[in-house]
Amino acid sequence: GAVVSQHPSRVICKSGTSVKIECRSLDFQATTMFWYRQFPKKSLMLMATSNEGSKATYEQGVEKDKFLINHASLTLSTLTVTSAHPEDSSFYICSAPTSGRIYNEQFFGPGTRLTVL
Amino acid sequence: GNSVTQMEGPVTLSEEAFLTINCTYTATGYPSLFWYVQYPGEGLQLLLKATKADDKGSNKGFEATYRKETTSFHLEKGSVQVSDSAVYFCALSTTDSWGKLQFGAGTQVVVTP
Repeated sequence: GAVVSQHPSRVICKSGTSVKIECRSLDFQATTMFWYRQFPKKSLMLMATSNEGSKATYEQGVEKDKFLINHASLTLSTLTVTSAHPEDSSFYICSAPTSGRIYNEQFFGPGTRLTVL
Repeated sequence: GNSVTQMEGPVTLSEEAFLTINCTYTATGYPSLFWYVQYPGEGLQLLLKATKADDKGSNKGFEATYRKETTSFHLEKGSVQVSDSAVYFCALSTTDSWGKLQFGAGTQVVVTP
């Protein structure tokens, strides 16, 4: 199946710093990628849809100035958590649907564990 | 709006026991239904899917049937193994939300030897 990678797998940062998380589709092109946030023992919450060549669309309640998304190419989307605070600590997961699939199958990255001290 | 409701866990079972995880949904349009599995420390993997009513998805001994009349997509496995210990997520997407998945809360399954 298709492979999606994320980097880094885990990051620890100080409060007030910014952190960039990369999501790459390794063997297919993805015009769209999705960013999710997963709290401990909770479900995944869709944060935003990353669109290659255009602005990301954010779900209600997600601060777009806090979570900057850039879809730089057909294989790369980045999520930057700006001025991170401890409440931003979470597991961030990206996914990408493969084109041409009628059932909208998505492939997920392994996730990035962010800890803000 | 769309929503997915699945039974709360954790579900603890002995090896070779029968597993059922209930999942019901509400959706606009014609949803596709999915079960994803998340093993400890790993990302989500698609376990099985069904795209229309009465379809049965199956994989690795797991099965789920798309029941439109009861808006359900219950996951079953006849004989679980310790390696099936994971968190299972029911999810849907609709024709008017291409790619966007609505997840249930997840059900943790613990299989003991």
